[in-house]
Amino acid sequence: AQTVTQSQPEMSVQEAETVTLSCTYDTSESDYYLFWYKQPPSRQMILVIRQEAYKQQNATENRFSVNFQKAAKSFSLKISDSQLGDAAMYFCAYRVLQGAQKLVFGQGTRLTINP
Amino acid sequence: NAGVTQTPKFQVLKTGQSMTLQCAQDMNHNSMYWYRQDPGMGLRLIYYSASEGTTDKGEVPNGYNVSRLNKREFSLRLESAAPSQTSVYFCASSEVGYPVSVSSGANVLTFGAGSRLTVL
Repeated sequence: AQTVTQSQPEMSVQEAETVTLSCTYDTSESDYYLFWYKQPPSRQMILVIRQEAYKQQNATENRFSVNFQKAAKSFSLKISDSQLGDAAMYFCAYRVLQGAQKLVFGQGTRLTINP
Repeated sequence: NAGVTQTPKFQVLKTGQSMTLQCAQDMNHNSMYWYRQDPGMGLRLIYYSASEGTTDKGEVPNGYNVSRLNKREFSLRLESAAPSQTSVYFCASSEVGYPVSVSSGANVLTFGAGSRLTVL
């Protein structure tokens, strides 16, 4: 079974600085997707960024980028120029491609932005 | 576009009571999912429906039943609520059904706003 591990329950960063959230996963599949979701206090799950396993190039979305290391099964999220609105729970997730594409989530990292 | 709509947003039950969480999506998605979120455990899959007419168990199906009423709607039922079912429940949907190719541009889940359920 696939598992996703986020080893940092909480992180904090000064506004305008850069922070990296860690994620590792375990799978025997070769084709899959990885995601980072953000959950602000409103509880809504918001997609931040996704990475296709078959792509070597790391995904980027404005201030958000990932460091995808397929051999190491590592998928970290870097947030540059942190803003107060980035404060949230961040979940790393893995999606199986065979079967019904269920998302498997990590435990989450609570990110605090210090003004 | 409303996206994924869940009702109710909050509910308090007594042990042994039954209730149904409703979920509807207006994006013409094939697949729908029910997750529960508990502190320190991320989101765990309860049941999913890969396409209309099919349902399958996820990681934590015990104590729940589901119905894929039509392509739009996927309900979650607690027949006899227990305190261990106190949680926040999320419904989600995705465009691509089963099977799916690696190069598909979809494979993104859209979530509802969540339903907080307390069982006393």
